[in-house]
Amino acid sequence: KNQVEQSPQSLIILEGKNCTLQCNYTVSPFSNLRWYKQDTGRGPVSLTIMTFSENTKSNGRYTATLDADTKQSSLHITASQLSDSASYICVVEWGSARQLTFGSGTQLTVLP
Amino acid sequence: ETGVTQTPRHLVMGMTNKKSLKCEQHLGHNAMYWYKQSAKKPLELMFVYSLEERVENNSVPSRFSPECPNSSHLFLHLHTLQPEDSALYLCASSQVAGVQETQYFGPGTRLLVL
Repeated sequence: KNQVEQSPQSLIILEGKNCTLQCNYTVSPFSNLRWYKQDTGRGPVSLTIMTFSENTKSNGRYTATLDADTKQSSLHITASQLSDSASYICVVEWGSARQLTFGSGTQLTVLP
Repeated sequence: ETGVTQTPRHLVMGMTNKKSLKCEQHLGHNAMYWYKQSAKKPLELMFVYSLEERVENNSVPSRFSPECPNSSHLFLHLHTLQPEDSALYLCASSQVAGVQETQYFGPGTRLLVL
């Protein structure tokens, strides 16, 4: 079954700390993997997108990694800020029909 | 903002009502999407329009009817909905291109069916 699993489901950290979110997938054939940030009551906003040949990509304090062999990705947030509180969604595009499979998201809460 | 707008932002309707959700993209994209987002569940793709033609339906119930009159506008017509249809409905657009195509989402319409 083609799936995208994210962990943890929720995470609470203190402002200024780092954290890492995980995404494992089983979809095949893989095309690309995206991380989105979704603030409460808003639509998702793209953070990074990585293809098979890319194993790391940064966007400010966000750094995504991809291991296409083990089918794992992580999103590392450095020096967290209160505004990082959001749901982080991993999305994998796969197949010749360019299907998208979404993870359930990790709900991150950053406390002062 | 992302360049994708949705109206209304909130909607409460009874099961016998007919309503429509509207989406407009100002990014010059050639594909538009409707998604359903229920609490604690992954985003579910409902409809895709590429170059104003529907390319995917995903077995969505007929009480949801999409309309794409041009590349900038997308509607979702709602009729005889059920309480389980209460969710956040997100519209997105993209420029269908190579591998690194990014979807830009609107803010969503929060729908409550009573």
